[in-house]
Amino acid sequence: EVQLVESGGGLVQPGGSLRLSCAASGLTFSTYWMSWVRQAPGKGLEWVANIKQDGRVQNYVDSVKGRFTVSRDNAYNSLYLQMNGLRAEDTAVYYCAGQLSLKWWGQGMPVTVSS
Amino acid sequence: DVVMTQSPLSLAATLGQPASISCRSSQSLVHSDGNTYLMWFHQRPGQPPRRLISRVSNRDSGVPDRFSGGESGSDFTLKISRVEAEDVGVYYCMQGTHWPFTFGPGTKVDVK
Repeated sequence: EVQLVESGGGLVQPGGSLRLSCAASGLTFSTYWMSWVRQAPGKGLEWVANIKQDGRVQNYVDSVKGRFTVSRDNAYNSLYLQMNGLRAEDTAVYYCAGQLSLKWWGQGMPVTVSS
Repeated sequence: DVVMTQSPLSLAATLGQPASISCRSSQSLVHSDGNTYLMWFHQRPGQPPRRLISRVSNRDSGVPDRFSGGESGSDFTLKISRVEAEDVGVYYCMQGTHWPFTFGPGTKVDVK
């Protein structure tokens, strides 16, 4: 059974930074694209970023380009999202998702940006 | 960016009856590799989304066969042949052909 477990969320002030982690198990992690998707309170889903199997290709939604960085460590079956320059509009539940077409999802990690 | 629209945005489905949700893309979703990367997800309240269908009509393992996906040009459809109580929640379509991937606004389904 595939499991994706996010960690690292919480409350941060505007302009601050957070690093989300996603621990993967039950899949050959190094063979799959991995993604981050977020959901603002009461809103729909927004695809944020993804990263290719070898980590050499990353894609981002425009609203986070230059502020967020997605990375992975295949030796540790882990996915990361470094979030800098956080804004109130980044407040959301952040989901880790596996495979390019988002076959597997974690339970989500809340991130709140507020003073 | 590709804009995905869904209709209806809210649906009161009747137990045991069929239901249908439409999704339209602002441009073709046919990838250069010949595939059409249109997915459907279901999200129950307080739960993460679950993928139901990939590439327009491929049902994921464990998804009941009452769910089916289809297309007609740039219009895509998710059909539930006989609605059950567990089908409540929000259904999203998503395109994975063009960067950035984009979701539809969601269709909230209640079951009466």
